[in-house]
Amino acid sequence: GDSVTQTEGQVALSEEDFLTIHCNYSASGYPALFWYVQYPGEGPQFLFRASRDKEKGSSRGFEATYNKEATSFHLQKASVQESDSAVYYCALSLSSGSWQLIFGSGTQLTVMP
Amino acid sequence: DAGVTQTPRHEVAEKGQTIILKCEPVSGHNDLFWYRQTKIQGLELLSYFRSKSLMEDGGAFKDRFKAEMLNSSFSTLKIQPTEPKDSAVYLCASSLGTGPETLYFGSGTRLTVL
Repeated sequence: GDSVTQTEGQVALSEEDFLTIHCNYSASGYPALFWYVQYPGEGPQFLFRASRDKEKGSSRGFEATYNKEATSFHLQKASVQESDSAVYYCALSLSSGSWQLIFGSGTQLTVMP
Repeated sequence: DAGVTQTPRHEVAEKGQTIILKCEPVSGHNDLFWYRQTKIQGLELLSYFRSKSLMEDGGAFKDRFKAEMLNSSFSTLKIQPTEPKDSAVYLCASSLGTGPETLYFGSGTRLTVL
């Protein structure tokens, strides 16, 4: 079946470090790809999306580029801040009609001052 | 605008009990989802409603989990009977139905089954 794999369960960085969280997917069709962020005590919230090969999504300094050949959508940020500490979820959606999201297992990012 | 409201925030149950979790979606949203969140499995879809009609019933969760939309502004998730492995955060989310960009999650109910 369709799936999303996030290889890092936890990432610990210092402020101003460069961030990469890896996301790979497996899908029978041509999915749209998403990143969500979840702060403590809250539900996940939409960060950005990309719908086609080589498209870059971005928001709040985070970005990811859709790579169909590598089946990847890695999240990056050039300089993280303590306020970026949260859980990040990669997700895919296949249908534009009855769309549903398939989430990865999430990556806990902790940024130390 | 009010977001998605979930009650209670915390629930503690004994094994074998019946518990009911509640959700009020964003006003005007057509789609409603229930997810279970654990550290190991992440976010798992339990149920999906579109305009109050059940579209997805979560496969493996069918036997003890039942979600209902009593009206367009209120949904419940019943777990009967509860088991310790049900301990998790249960998230409700609603959407306009135009895509995941309009998906809003509640803060969740943390369920502990003893």
